[in-house]
Amino acid sequence: DIVMTQSPLSLPVTPGEPASISCTSSQSLLHSNGNNYLHWYLQKPGQSPQLLIYLGSNRASGVPDRFSGSGSGTDFTLKITRVEAEDVGVYYCMEALQSYTFGQGSKLEIK
Amino acid sequence: QVQLVESGGGVVQPGRSLRLSCAASGFTFSTYAMHWVRQAPGKGLEWVAVLAYDGSNKNYADSVKGRFTISRDNSENTLYLQMNSLRADDTAVYYCAKDRAAPGRRGLDVWGQGTTVTVSS
Repeated sequence: DIVMTQSPLSLPVTPGEPASISCTSSQSLLHSNGNNYLHWYLQKPGQSPQLLIYLGSNRASGVPDRFSGSGSGTDFTLKITRVEAEDVGVYYCMEALQSYTFGQGSKLEIK
Repeated sequence: QVQLVESGGGVVQPGRSLRLSCAASGFTFSTYAMHWVRQAPGKGLEWVAVLAYDGSNKNYADSVKGRFTISRDNSENTLYLQMNSLRADDTAVYYCAKDRAAPGRRGLDVWGQGTTVTVSS
């Protein structure tokens, strides 16, 4: 089974500053079709999760362009160029190549 | 608008059964894979099951395999999760979610509000 490891698990950020979350997979998520089967979600407090980034680097509909995803194979990164108060919540990566496995979650809070 | 509404949660004794439903609207339900994802109290997200757009292919998490069954009625735009032999560690909020693609794997882009299942004697 694939194991997804996120870091950091807690991320205090000052508004306007950048933030970055790393996600490492125990196996490559790169398919022969060229897609990385890695997605990013945000669960805001008291809300259902929402899709931020799909297939490693594609922003979902309505997601602000301050969010970006990068990486390939086993190492992926979610970046926020300038954190806003509305970005607080728990960020999850999820592999979708072998089965569907979430990372532990990374909690972003405002300093 | 695109919407998923779960129902059927509640309090159930260990060993008993429960069936969850997810009513879809605002999109062509029959052309997308659908998932169930759960979240135990204070814990992270755990994927539970997926069903392809036409019901031809399904997959389960090891933790529920043999006990849970995912199904869909495309004529009624509804997804189901039959949960048998429930255990205390099945206690969670259960979310229904739409995949971006018919067979799955492309990202879960629409989520319901969740329904709570509590397994307790």
